[in-house]
Amino acid sequence: GAVVSQHPSRVICKSGTSVKIECRSLDFQATTMFWYRQFPKQSLMLMATSNEGSKATYEQGVEKDKFLINHASLTLSTLTVTSAHPEDSSFYICSARGRRGARETQYFGPGTRLLVL
Amino acid sequence: AQKITQTQPGMFVQEKEAVTLDCTYDTSDPSYGLFWYKQPSSGEMIFLIYQGSYDQQNATEGRYSLNFQKARKSANLVISASQLGDSAMYFCAMREGRGGATNKLIFGTGTLLAVQP
Repeated sequence: GAVVSQHPSRVICKSGTSVKIECRSLDFQATTMFWYRQFPKQSLMLMATSNEGSKATYEQGVEKDKFLINHASLTLSTLTVTSAHPEDSSFYICSARGRRGARETQYFGPGTRLLVL
Repeated sequence: AQKITQTQPGMFVQEKEAVTLDCTYDTSDPSYGLFWYKQPSSGEMIFLIYQGSYDQQNATEGRYSLNFQKARKSANLVISASQLGDSAMYFCAMREGRGGATNKLIFGTGTLLAVQP
Protein backbone atom coordinates (compact mmCIF):
# COMPACT_ATOMS: atom_id res chain seq x y z
CA GLY A 1 0.00 0.00 0.00
CA ALA A 2 0.89 3.65 -0.24
CA VAL A 3 3.44 4.91 2.22
CA VAL A 4 3.18 8.58 1.28
CA SER A 5 -0.13 10.32 0.76
CA GLN A 6 -0.98 13.68 -0.72
CA HIS A 7 -4.13 15.67 -0.34
CA PRO A 8 -5.91 16.87 -2.36
CA SER A 9 -5.23 14.80 -5.45
CA ARG A 10 -6.77 17.47 -7.68
CA VAL A 11 -7.67 21.07 -7.07
CA ILE A 12 -9.13 23.78 -9.23
CA CYS A 13 -9.02 27.31 -7.92
CA LYS A 14 -9.50 30.88 -9.04
CA SER A 15 -6.57 33.12 -9.77
CA GLY A 16 -5.44 34.98 -6.65
CA THR A 17 -6.44 32.35 -4.13
CA SER A 18 -4.06 30.25 -2.04
CA VAL A 19 -3.92 26.49 -2.15
CA LYS A 20 -2.48 24.18 0.49
CA ILE A 21 -1.21 20.72 -0.38
CA GLU A 22 -0.50 18.19 2.35
CA CYS A 23 2.05 15.42 2.19
CA ARG A 24 2.06 12.68 4.82
CA SER A 25 4.35 9.75 5.44
CA LEU A 26 2.05 6.98 6.60
CA ASP A 27 4.21 4.41 8.34
CA PHE A 28 7.59 6.00 8.84
CA GLN A 29 9.07 9.22 10.12
CA ALA A 30 10.21 11.45 7.31
CA THR A 31 13.26 13.41 8.37
CA THR A 32 13.35 15.10 4.99
CA MET A 33 10.64 15.95 2.51
CA PHE A 34 11.14 17.13 -1.03
CA TRP A 35 8.69 19.03 -3.17
CA TYR A 36 8.77 18.65 -6.94
CA ARG A 37 6.88 20.26 -9.74
CA GLN A 38 6.18 18.66 -13.09
CA PHE A 39 4.80 20.38 -16.17
CA PRO A 40 3.08 18.26 -18.83
CA LYS A 41 5.49 15.99 -20.66
CA GLN A 42 8.43 17.28 -18.69
CA SER A 43 10.63 15.96 -15.94
CA LEU A 44 10.33 16.52 -12.23
CA MET A 45 11.96 19.71 -11.08
CA LEU A 46 12.96 19.99 -7.44
CA MET A 47 11.45 23.04 -5.80
CA ALA A 48 12.62 22.74 -2.22
CA THR A 49 13.93 20.47 0.49
CA SER A 50 12.58 20.61 4.01
CA ASN A 51 13.71 19.09 7.27
CA GLU A 52 11.40 18.70 10.21
CA GLY A 53 11.40 21.78 12.38
CA SER A 54 13.61 23.93 10.19
CA LYS A 55 13.22 26.25 7.26
CA ALA A 56 13.04 24.81 3.80
CA THR A 57 15.90 25.13 1.34
CA TYR A 58 14.65 26.38 -2.00
CA GLU A 59 16.18 25.69 -5.38
CA GLN A 60 17.36 28.55 -7.49
CA GLY A 61 14.52 30.35 -9.21
CA VAL A 62 11.81 29.15 -6.83
CA GLU A 63 10.12 31.98 -4.93
CA LYS A 64 10.01 31.10 -1.26
CA ASP A 65 7.34 33.70 -0.53
CA LYS A 66 5.09 32.20 -3.17
CA PHE A 67 5.62 28.55 -2.32
CA LEU A 68 5.46 28.30 1.44
CA ILE A 69 6.66 25.03 2.90
CA ASN A 70 6.04 23.91 6.43
CA HIS A 71 7.44 20.68 7.83
CA ALA A 72 5.87 20.80 11.25
CA SER A 73 6.18 17.15 12.18
CA LEU A 74 8.01 14.03 11.12
CA THR A 75 4.98 12.83 9.20
CA LEU A 76 3.57 15.99 7.65
CA SER A 77 4.78 18.66 5.27
CA THR A 78 2.62 21.25 3.56
CA LEU A 79 3.13 23.30 0.43
CA THR A 80 1.04 26.44 0.11
CA VAL A 81 0.86 28.12 -3.27
CA THR A 82 0.02 31.70 -2.36
CA SER A 83 -1.93 33.96 -4.70
CA ALA A 84 -1.96 31.29 -7.36
CA HIS A 85 -1.94 32.27 -11.03
CA PRO A 86 -2.62 30.21 -14.15
CA GLU A 87 1.12 29.70 -14.72
CA ASP A 88 1.25 27.88 -11.37
CA SER A 89 -0.95 25.17 -12.83
CA SER A 90 1.13 22.03 -12.62
CA PHE A 91 1.53 18.61 -11.06
CA TYR A 92 3.07 18.86 -7.60
CA ILE A 93 4.70 15.78 -6.10
CA CYS A 94 6.17 15.35 -2.67
CA SER A 95 8.75 12.80 -1.65
CA ALA A 96 9.51 11.67 1.87
CA ARG A 97 12.79 10.25 3.09
CA GLY A 98 13.35 8.48 6.36
CA ARG A 99 13.91 5.14 8.03
CA ARG A 100 11.36 2.45 7.39
CA GLY A 101 12.42 -0.56 9.35
CA ALA A 102 16.16 -0.94 9.10
CA ARG A 103 16.54 0.84 5.79
CA GLU A 104 16.55 4.42 4.78
CA THR A 105 13.97 4.85 2.07
CA GLN A 106 12.48 7.53 -0.11
CA TYR A 107 8.98 7.34 -1.47
CA PHE A 108 6.89 9.61 -3.62
CA GLY A 109 3.36 10.71 -3.02
CA PRO A 110 0.72 10.25 -5.72
CA GLY A 111 0.87 13.92 -6.70
CA THR A 112 -1.55 16.83 -6.75
CA ARG A 113 -2.84 18.31 -9.99
CA LEU A 114 -3.39 22.03 -9.59
CA LEU A 115 -5.37 24.00 -12.14
CA VAL A 116 -5.64 27.73 -11.66
CA LEU A 117 -8.30 29.46 -13.70
CA ALA B 1 25.63 20.87 -17.43
CA GLN B 2 23.08 18.07 -17.46
CA LYS B 3 23.64 15.72 -14.57
CA ILE B 4 21.34 13.04 -15.94
CA THR B 5 20.79 12.49 -19.65
CA GLN B 6 18.13 10.32 -21.22
CA THR B 7 18.56 10.57 -24.98
CA GLN B 8 15.47 8.59 -25.99
CA PRO B 9 12.31 10.69 -25.78
CA GLY B 10 10.23 7.68 -26.81
CA MET B 11 10.58 3.95 -27.46
CA PHE B 12 8.41 1.22 -28.94
CA VAL B 13 8.75 -2.43 -27.99
CA GLN B 14 6.77 -5.52 -28.88
CA GLU B 15 5.07 -7.33 -26.07
CA LYS B 16 7.26 -10.10 -24.57
CA GLU B 17 10.45 -8.61 -25.95
CA ALA B 18 13.21 -6.95 -23.96
CA VAL B 19 13.92 -3.23 -24.12
CA THR B 20 16.81 -1.06 -22.93
CA LEU B 21 16.28 2.50 -21.78
CA ASP B 22 19.42 4.60 -21.81
CA CYS B 23 20.71 6.82 -19.04
CA THR B 24 24.05 8.55 -18.67
CA TYR B 25 25.12 10.67 -15.74
CA ASP B 26 27.74 13.17 -14.77
CA THR B 27 29.24 13.55 -11.34
CA SER B 28 32.60 14.07 -9.72
CA ASP B 29 31.42 12.62 -6.40
CA PRO B 30 32.75 9.08 -5.93
CA SER B 31 29.69 8.18 -3.88
CA TYR B 32 26.32 8.33 -5.59
CA GLY B 33 23.15 6.39 -6.18
CA LEU B 34 21.23 5.79 -9.37
CA PHE B 35 17.49 5.19 -9.49
CA TRP B 36 14.87 4.32 -12.05
CA TYR B 37 11.25 5.29 -11.61
CA LYS B 38 8.16 4.49 -13.65
CA GLN B 39 5.42 7.08 -14.02
CA PRO B 40 2.18 5.81 -15.56
CA SER B 41 -0.49 8.20 -16.82
CA SER B 42 -1.93 8.45 -13.30
CA GLY B 43 1.17 10.43 -12.33
CA GLU B 44 2.46 8.45 -9.38
CA MET B 45 6.18 7.78 -9.27
CA ILE B 46 6.90 4.09 -8.84
CA PHE B 47 10.36 3.08 -7.68
CA LEU B 48 11.83 0.31 -9.82
CA ILE B 49 15.48 -0.24 -9.06
CA TYR B 50 18.52 1.24 -7.32
CA GLN B 51 22.27 1.00 -7.97
CA GLY B 52 24.89 2.33 -5.59
CA SER B 53 28.18 3.55 -7.00
CA TYR B 54 30.12 1.08 -4.90
CA ASP B 55 27.90 -1.89 -5.65
CA GLN B 56 29.94 -4.60 -7.30
CA GLN B 57 27.07 -6.26 -9.09
CA ASN B 58 24.39 -4.91 -11.35
CA ALA B 59 21.10 -4.47 -9.57
CA THR B 60 18.16 -6.67 -10.51
CA GLU B 61 14.51 -6.56 -9.40
CA GLY B 62 12.29 -9.10 -11.11
CA ARG B 63 12.03 -8.18 -14.79
CA TYR B 64 14.11 -5.06 -14.26
CA SER B 65 17.87 -5.00 -14.36
CA LEU B 66 20.30 -2.15 -14.39
CA ASN B 67 23.27 -2.31 -16.74
CA PHE B 68 25.77 -0.29 -14.74
CA GLN B 69 28.86 0.76 -16.69
CA LYS B 70 30.75 2.89 -14.22
CA ALA B 71 33.61 3.90 -16.50
CA ARG B 72 31.15 5.04 -19.15
CA LYS B 73 28.92 6.65 -16.54
CA SER B 74 25.89 4.86 -17.84
CA ALA B 75 23.06 3.14 -16.00
CA ASN B 76 20.71 1.69 -18.56
CA LEU B 77 17.48 0.02 -17.51
CA VAL B 78 16.66 -3.30 -19.11
CA ILE B 79 13.08 -4.54 -18.99
CA SER B 80 12.73 -8.17 -19.98
CA ALA B 81 9.57 -9.77 -21.33
CA SER B 82 7.72 -6.49 -21.80
CA GLN B 83 4.07 -6.35 -20.82
CA LEU B 84 1.35 -3.96 -21.94
CA GLY B 85 1.27 -2.55 -18.43
CA ASP B 86 4.88 -1.44 -18.80
CA SER B 87 3.74 1.40 -21.06
CA ALA B 88 4.63 4.51 -19.11
CA MET B 89 7.18 7.27 -18.69
CA TYR B 90 10.49 6.12 -17.23
CA PHE B 91 12.83 8.43 -15.36
CA CYS B 92 16.45 7.92 -14.41
CA ALA B 93 17.60 9.81 -11.33
CA MET B 94 20.81 10.33 -9.40
CA ARG B 95 21.56 11.22 -5.81
CA GLU B 96 25.08 12.42 -5.07
CA GLY B 97 26.82 11.80 -1.79
CA ARG B 98 26.31 9.09 0.74
CA GLY B 99 22.56 9.37 0.93
CA GLY B 100 22.54 12.00 3.60
CA ALA B 101 19.24 13.32 4.72
CA THR B 102 19.14 16.30 2.40
CA ASN B 103 20.86 14.86 -0.65
CA LYS B 104 18.43 15.42 -3.44
CA LEU B 105 17.35 13.36 -6.41
CA ILE B 106 18.02 14.88 -9.80
CA PHE B 107 15.88 13.53 -12.63
CA GLY B 108 16.48 13.03 -16.31
CA THR B 109 13.99 14.15 -18.93
CA GLY B 110 12.37 10.75 -19.19
CA THR B 111 11.65 8.17 -21.87
CA LEU B 112 8.10 7.32 -22.90
CA LEU B 113 7.81 3.59 -23.48
CA ALA B 114 4.99 2.16 -25.54
CA VAL B 115 4.51 -1.61 -25.51
CA GLN B 116 2.75 -2.89 -28.60
CA PRO B 117 0.65 -6.07 -28.63
